[in-house]
Amino acid sequence: DTEVTQTPKHLVMGMTNKKSLKCEQHMGHRAMYWYKQKAKKPPELMFVYSYEKLSINESVPSRFSPECPNSSLLNLHLHALQPEDSALYLCASSQDWGSGANVLTFGAGSRLTVL
Amino acid sequence: GQNIDQPTEMTATEGAIVQINCTYQTSGFNGLFWYQQHAGEAPTFLSYNVLDGLEEKGRFSSFLSRSKGYSYLLLKELQMKDSASYLCAVSDSNYQLIWGAGTKLIIKP
Repeated sequence: DTEVTQTPKHLVMGMTNKKSLKCEQHMGHRAMYWYKQKAKKPPELMFVYSYEKLSINESVPSRFSPECPNSSLLNLHLHALQPEDSALYLCASSQDWGSGANVLTFGAGSRLTVL
Repeated sequence: GQNIDQPTEMTATEGAIVQINCTYQTSGFNGLFWYQQHAGEAPTFLSYNVLDGLEEKGRFSSFLSRSKGYSYLLLKELQMKDSASYLCAVSDSNYQLIWGAGTKLIIKP
């Protein structure tokens, strides 16, 4: 299995809703990532988990809350989002964190629209 | 600051060759990546260079010059399916990926 699976593919939510994005990989990768990507822009790193522990939080607002229940799963909990948070949210994994040749395998993404 | 520059958009003809350049200024260097991203899809890994020189992989090749802070991605025998954005990314001294804005490649018949 060489895939990263993300659900849902599309999500529309209001500013008062609570929702979650889910990500799963079965490649035995020890690092997992959340990225946010706006149209025609490169991915922006949000969070990195290494061995199920949060290693990097790129000053992301608290309305985004990551969770890593086990080595294969990564969630992103969303609450009280703003319309400007509408974007493609990409999950990625790599063999490990903190080495140069870390090739990222991305999921297909969850396209989020906040009304 | 850290900076990666690549052209915003390029156009090429099916069957031809195109070279996409990337220049970088980063705090440290632990390798340079090229990713391909089709519209509305996730990026997929193309190549990784950490030593100077040319790495060839089928129709795609990637070149690195660390002294010049320069890389290029060479695509040969272009096909319509190569129409995509090509992202250059550098792993800095903290192993964080610094991404370029991407080059949108348009292939014409």
